[in-house]
Amino acid sequence: EAGVAQSPRYKIIEKRQSVAFWCNPISGHATLYWYQQILGQGPKLLIQFQNNGVVDDSQLPKDRFSAERLKGVDSTLKIQPAKLEDSAVYLCASSLKAGYNEQFFGPGTRLTVL
Amino acid sequence: QKEVEQNSGPLSVPEGAIASLNCTYSDRGSQSFFWYRQYSGKSPELIMFIYSNGDKEDGRFTAQLNKASQYVSLLIRDSQPSDSATYLCAAGGNKLTFGTGTQLKVEL
Repeated sequence: EAGVAQSPRYKIIEKRQSVAFWCNPISGHATLYWYQQILGQGPKLLIQFQNNGVVDDSQLPKDRFSAERLKGVDSTLKIQPAKLEDSAVYLCASSLKAGYNEQFFGPGTRLTVL
Repeated sequence: QKEVEQNSGPLSVPEGAIASLNCTYSDRGSQSFFWYRQYSGKSPELIMFIYSNGDKEDGRFTAQLNKASQYVSLLIRDSQPSDSATYLCAAGGNKLTFGTGTQLKVEL
């Protein structure tokens, strides 16, 4: 069974530029999560999708971050414009269904904002 | 603010010893508890989950949950150098809150 796929693996941008990350969850997993992990900290949930609907985006900085999961499968997270403090690893995870919290993580995208 | 607290470590144990990792959580509504292992530069990997009070064993790993004390622990028996990693505790219901992780070092 293929795991969660993410791309790109690394990205370096200047502040005020925009960037997008892509995630494809495990086949059949209805729930998809985007996390931000700053060095030395645990993952922080940015947004949770159930199929193509948003379940929780309470910690998403909506003035600069956006995410979509249009067909209920893969998802894109965008940052526009980026700030220095956005430097982090962006992790995508999926689980079989909402409330079934065994989440499986992709390899992550390491973002550096200069 | 729902929190999950872990000692950041590092926790150093000799090879073959038992490593004990601890976690407390603030949200009494939390229903599920998870331990993830994260190697440096890698993403978290699920190793154990527990929903009910008591112990749950899986190979060399034992998870312990005490909801009255809001306390979760992970025991690793016969620790190996390959167990050296950061261990993340997570608690939640519909979504998970992660602790900052405990760095474990297993020394030869």
